[in-house]
Amino acid sequence: QVQLVQSGAEVKKPGASVKVSCKASGYTFANYGVHWVRQAPGQRLEWMGWINAGKGNTKYSQNFQDRVTITRDTSASTAYLELSSLRSEDTAVYYCARAYSGSYLGWIDPWGQGTQVTVSS
Amino acid sequence: QSVLTQPPSVSGAPGQRVTISCTGSSSNIGASYDVHWYQHLPGTAPKLLISGNTNRPSGVPDRFSGSKSGTSASLTITGLQAEDEADYYCQSYDSSLSGVVFGGGTKLTVL
Repeated sequence: QVQLVQSGAEVKKPGASVKVSCKASGYTFANYGVHWVRQAPGQRLEWMGWINAGKGNTKYSQNFQDRVTITRDTSASTAYLELSSLRSEDTAVYYCARAYSGSYLGWIDPWGQGTQVTVSS
Repeated sequence: QSVLTQPPSVSGAPGQRVTISCTGSSSNIGASYDVHWYQHLPGTAPKLLISGNTNRPSGVPDRFSGSKSGTSASLTITGLQAEDEADYYCQSYDSSLSGVVFGGGTKLTVL
C-alpha cells in the first residue's frame, strides 16, 4: 500500500535549521509530487511547499519562501524539508503527503505520520 | 487568517445532519479550482474525505458528501456518529497567492 514514513522528532535551538525526511513506498515515487504541511499547536493546517519528485521543480508558500528548501532523492524515494532560521513559532507537527499527480493542484493523499519539531532555547 | 473561511465549530446529536461551509473568493474557489476536504483527529495524520468537490475516495462512508457553488463549498455529514468528532479542513488553490490553501478548520462536536 502507499505509505509515507517520516523521520523522528527534533528539538532545535532558535536560529538553527532542521531537515525532515519522508520516505515513500508502494508507488512510483517519480510519478507524483510531495507536499509539506505543518500544524502549530492549536492552529490550522498550513501549506509550506511542494516538489515534483520526478523533475525536482518546487513551489513554496510565500510565508516560507526565504526559509524553506524542499529536495528529493529519487534513488531513495525520499523527499526532504529543510527549514532554516528557526524560531519558537516554528514549533509544530510537520507532515509530508503525496500529491494526487505530478502537479501541485488537486488533492493530497496519503499523509505521513507527522514529525514533531520543537524550537526551544 | 486563511483565505478560505470555515466556521470554527459545529455540533450535532447522533443521527443528525451537519453542514460545514468553506467560503473563498474569485482567486480560489470562484476561479474554478477544486475543493477537497480532510478529517483530522488529534495525533493522527489528516485523512482525505472528499476530492474534487464531490468525490468520495474508496472507504469513505456515503454519509459524507461535498458540494460546490460559486465561491463556496460545503461538506455535509448525515447520520452523525460519535466517531465523526474531529477537525475538518477544506483545501484548494489560490492564484493570487500562487499556492495551496487550507481553511481555518472546523471542530465538529457530537453531542
